[in-house]
Amino acid sequence: AQSVTQLGSHVSVSEGALVLLRCNYSSSVPPYLFWYVQYPNQGLQLLLKYTTGATLVKGINGFEAEFKKSETSFHLTKPSAHMSDAAEYFCAVSGADDMRFGAGTRLTVKP
Amino acid sequence: DAGITQSPRHKVTETGTPVTLRCHQTENHRYMYWYRQDPGHGLRLIHYSYGVKDTDKGEVSDGYSVSRSKTEDFLLTLESATSSQTSVYFCAISAEENAPGYEQYFGPGTRLTVT
Repeated sequence: AQSVTQLGSHVSVSEGALVLLRCNYSSSVPPYLFWYVQYPNQGLQLLLKYTTGATLVKGINGFEAEFKKSETSFHLTKPSAHMSDAAEYFCAVSGADDMRFGAGTRLTVKP
Repeated sequence: DAGITQSPRHKVTETGTPVTLRCHQTENHRYMYWYRQDPGHGLRLIHYSYGVKDTDKGEVSDGYSVSRSKTEDFLLTLESATSSQTSVYFCAISAEENAPGYEQYFGPGTRLTVT
């Protein structure tokens, strides 16, 4: 079965600073990887996904993630944080089994 | 936004009572899912459906049952609610039926409190 580990349950950055949210995965088959964002009292929204092909994936709201097979990682980045980026972010993997989600990382953006 | 609604949005119930949560979609997608979200656990799959009357168990199915009599509706039932089932429940549908790399679209959630 596949799984993901998100490093850091809370990340705090200043407005305008780089955002880096870490995700490592485990999968016995080539993985499909996703990042979702959840704003308070809402469901999850897809930010971006990796299936095959280009390892650098661009998503909505200026986010991107890079698939690194050698490091089994799929870290999420954004060059400059905005106050509206404050939310909880979930990494997920699918492949041989159901989609599995990480525990989530709460991003706080300080003015 | 994917057309997914959940009802009720909030519910408080007592231990031992039956509870049914409803998920309704207007996208005509084949696959539907029920998850629960708990702090420190992310989302965990309870049950899913791959068609009318076709359902299967997920990671945390004990204490839950589901039914799907129409493409658009997927019901989650707690036969006898317990305090450990206090959670936020999300319904999801898959965008690409049984295709690699499918993403899921989520409803707004139901907050259930069992006292």
